[in-house]
Amino acid sequence: AQSVTQLDSQVPVFEEAPVELRCNYSSSVSVYLFWYVQYPNQGLQLLLKYLSGSTLVESINGFEAEFNKSQTSFHLRKPSVHISDTAEYFCAVTRYSGAGSYQLTFGKGTKLSVIP
Amino acid sequence: ETGVTQTPRHLVMGMTNKKSLKCEQHLGHNAMYWYKQSAKKPLELMFVYSLEERVENNSVPSRFSPECPNSSHLFLHLHTLQPEDSALYLCASSQGGGLSGELFFGEGSRLTVL
Repeated sequence: AQSVTQLDSQVPVFEEAPVELRCNYSSSVSVYLFWYVQYPNQGLQLLLKYLSGSTLVESINGFEAEFNKSQTSFHLRKPSVHISDTAEYFCAVTRYSGAGSYQLTFGKGTKLSVIP
Repeated sequence: ETGVTQTPRHLVMGMTNKKSLKCEQHLGHNAMYWYKQSAKKPLELMFVYSLEERVENNSVPSRFSPECPNSSHLFLHLHTLQPEDSALYLCASSQGGGLSGELFFGEGSRLTVL
């Protein structure tokens, strides 16, 4: 069985300050890890993903996450946040569900509020 | 404009009503999903269709009935719901069974059961 734990339900941070959103996972097999973002009144969008290779992955809008196998973590970071980063962020891990299909298990989400 | 369109965006229904949620994807994907998003709970996967066949049903009550007539359309038929079924219902699609993990979500249908 796989599970995802997001330790913080809400994270307030001032504009231009750094932020880290924490994610830990548990799995007995190799995993693929993802961060999704949900802006107000919208669906979820893929922010970044780790499938293999370099353990540090980046998004186009300045976020990065590092896969740490020994700590079973995939924390999301940004050195300087903007007002437009206010959203809810979901960490997720895949599992094989049969018939060639892979399913995502999501964490409960972390609401990032950027304060002007 | 999203590649996955959900209608209606908002729905209020009584416990004895029958209604349906519709999802359409314009991305040429071969898998579609229904998720339930409730406050303070993780997203719950309800149903998965791959190549128009249901491959997963996560013990969802029978008052929720999915239908996938073709690879572009997915419905969720609702019947005699309970107030605790009030939530945001998200549709998503993917290509290749979702191995890459990239799901494309619609904006959701906000359901309120009175």
